[in-house]
Amino acid sequence: GDSVTQMEGPVTLSEEACLTINCTYTATGYPSLFWYVQYPGEGLQLLLKATKADDKGSNKGFEATYRKETTSFHLEKGSVQVSDSAVYFCALRASGAGSYQLTFGKGTKLSVIP
Amino acid sequence: AAGVIQSPRHLIKEKRETATLKCYPIPRHDTVYWYQQGPGQDPQFLISFYEKMQSDKGSIPDRFSAQQFSDYHSELNMSSLELGDSALYFCASSIRTSGSSYEQYFGPGTRLTVT
Repeated sequence: GDSVTQMEGPVTLSEEACLTINCTYTATGYPSLFWYVQYPGEGLQLLLKATKADDKGSNKGFEATYRKETTSFHLEKGSVQVSDSAVYFCALRASGAGSYQLTFGKGTKLSVIP
Repeated sequence: AAGVIQSPRHLIKEKRETATLKCYPIPRHDTVYWYQQGPGQDPQFLISFYEKMQSDKGSIPDRFSAQQFSDYHSELNMSSLELGDSALYFCASSIRTSGSSYEQYFGPGTRLTVT
């Protein structure tokens, strides 16, 4: 079945450092890919998405590019802030009619220190 | 903008009791999803409804049932609660339109604690 693999955390960075959280997936066809963020004590918020190969999703300084050849969707940010501290989930929605549920990775906890 | 509403936000129950969680989707959204997130875990899909009919089923225990009502709100009913049911339960909603990525918008979750 479909699956998402994320780099294990926690990840601790200093403010203004560069961030990369790796995400690879296993799925048939062309799934849609998402990054969700979960701040402490809160629900999941959609951070960015990409629906086809070579698409780049971006939001709030975060970017991720849908790489079909490497089945990856790595999350990147050039300069993190303390307010970016949260858990980040990579997720996919399978392609094809009738497949709408999300499959999540295990999540990566990011802590940014001043 | 209106968001997904879940109630209650927190719920404490004892083993073998029942619980009902409610979800109110974003207006005009026609699909509701339920997910369970255990402590330190990723969300696991339970069940979904489209236009009041069950559309997909994941790892939902037989002790749980759910439905979507005519006003599109959904309820997750949980019976014979077990300690392992303690988790954060998310509801998400989306709208199915041609060409949409069917992105799901999540509610704040209901934290269920079974003692």
